[in-house]
Amino acid sequence: KQEVTQIPAALSVPEGENLVLNCSFTDSAIYNLQWFRQDPGKGLTSLLLIQSSQREQTSGRLNASLDKSSGRSTLYIAASQPGDSATYLCAVKNQGGKLIFGQGTELSVKP
Amino acid sequence: ETGVTQSPTHLIKTRGQQVTLRCSSQSGHNTVSWYQQALGQGPQFIFQYYREEENGRGNFPPRFSGLQFPNYSSELNVNALELDDSALYLCASSFPSGSPQETQYFGPGTRLLVL
Repeated sequence: KQEVTQIPAALSVPEGENLVLNCSFTDSAIYNLQWFRQDPGKGLTSLLLIQSSQREQTSGRLNASLDKSSGRSTLYIAASQPGDSATYLCAVKNQGGKLIFGQGTELSVKP
Repeated sequence: ETGVTQSPTHLIKTRGQQVTLRCSSQSGHNTVSWYQQALGQGPQFIFQYYREEENGRGNFPPRFSGLQFPNYSSELNVNALELDDSALYLCASSFPSGSPQETQYFGPGTRLLVL
């Protein structure tokens, strides 16, 4: 059974700092891995999607990596801003098409 | 913002009642998935519909049921509501797995409170 874990559960950093969020999964037979952002009480916004054959994806200040063999992904945020404050969720997609989510990392960027 | 809409935005029900939540998918998407997100948790997969047929189900009891219509909009029905059903219910639309554009686009969710 696939399990997804995110560490840390919460993170507080000063503005401008570079940071890394971690995601691990137990079954390497994934179809893809996706990082989402969720603002309080809101839906999910897709940030980056990495196919199982890829190693990383980049979008602006965000870079996500995938190491299937070790069951790990990281989301790197450069030069963090207060507007980056949100919960970040990692999800893996299996061959059946459903997304399996971690519990999220709640990020707070202090001005 | 995605083109996925959900209604209602908030809902309060009492234990034992029934509820219907609605989702309109993004234009062109024929696959709809429903997720339940309890407070402080990640979303949990309930089920997925593809071309009006259920196409996968998570670990939820039969009192959670769904429909998909010819225009690909969808409903989630929950019977005999329990206190633990209180959660944010998220709908996501996509193209089917294997298609080049298979990212799931999420709606804003329906917040259900069961008293």
